[in-house]
Amino acid sequence: EVQLVESGGGLVQPGGSLRLSCAASGFTFSSYWMTWVRQAPGEGLEWVANINRDGSEKNYVDSVKGRFTISRDSSTNSLYLQMNNLRAEDTAVYFCARDGNNVNDFDHWGQGTLVTVSS
Amino acid sequence: QSALTQPASVSGSPGQSITISCTGTSSDISGYKYVSWYQQHPGKAPKLMIYDVTNRPSGVSSRFSGSKSGNSASLTISGLQTEDEGDYYCSSWMAINTFAFGTGTKVTVL
Repeated sequence: EVQLVESGGGLVQPGGSLRLSCAASGFTFSSYWMTWVRQAPGEGLEWVANINRDGSEKNYVDSVKGRFTISRDSSTNSLYLQMNNLRAEDTAVYFCARDGNNVNDFDHWGQGTLVTVSS
Repeated sequence: QSALTQPASVSGSPGQSITISCTGTSSDISGYKYVSWYQQHPGKAPKLMIYDVTNRPSGVSSRFSGSKSGNSASLTISGLQTEDEGDYYCSSWMAINTFAFGTGTKVTVL
């Protein structure tokens, strides 16, 4: 069974940093693109970033470029999102998702971890 | 990376059919066959319902179907059931391996 479990969320002050983790199991992690999606309270889904199978390609939504870094570690089956210079508008539940076989959709999701940016 | 446009809400009675639209541009929906749809219940993670415009993942009811025409895609739910209530989001692959989600549609079963 595919499982994705996020951790690392919490309360952080504006300008601060946080590192999110996603522990993957039940599938061959190194065979799939992985993605972070976020959802601000009461709002819709927003695609944040993705990373290819070997970590050599990374893509970001414009609003986080230069502040967030996506990475992965196939030795521990883990996905990460390093978030720096956080802003109030980054407050959201962050979901880890596995891309489908054709890399055109997200076929499994974690339950999410809440990041709150506030002073 | 603008969001795709969906109606804020759609409602129907049990047994009826409803259709949710998703409007994009030539940079996303009309340019590619990579539209997917997600169902989200309150406090839960999204669930993939349709991929590549028309395909259903294993385990998803055949009451859910997808289509695309020009700049717009649609999700149709036939034989509406109470468990279909929730939020629905479309998504489209965009150039350079990025994605956009729709604004979301709240489905209410009357």
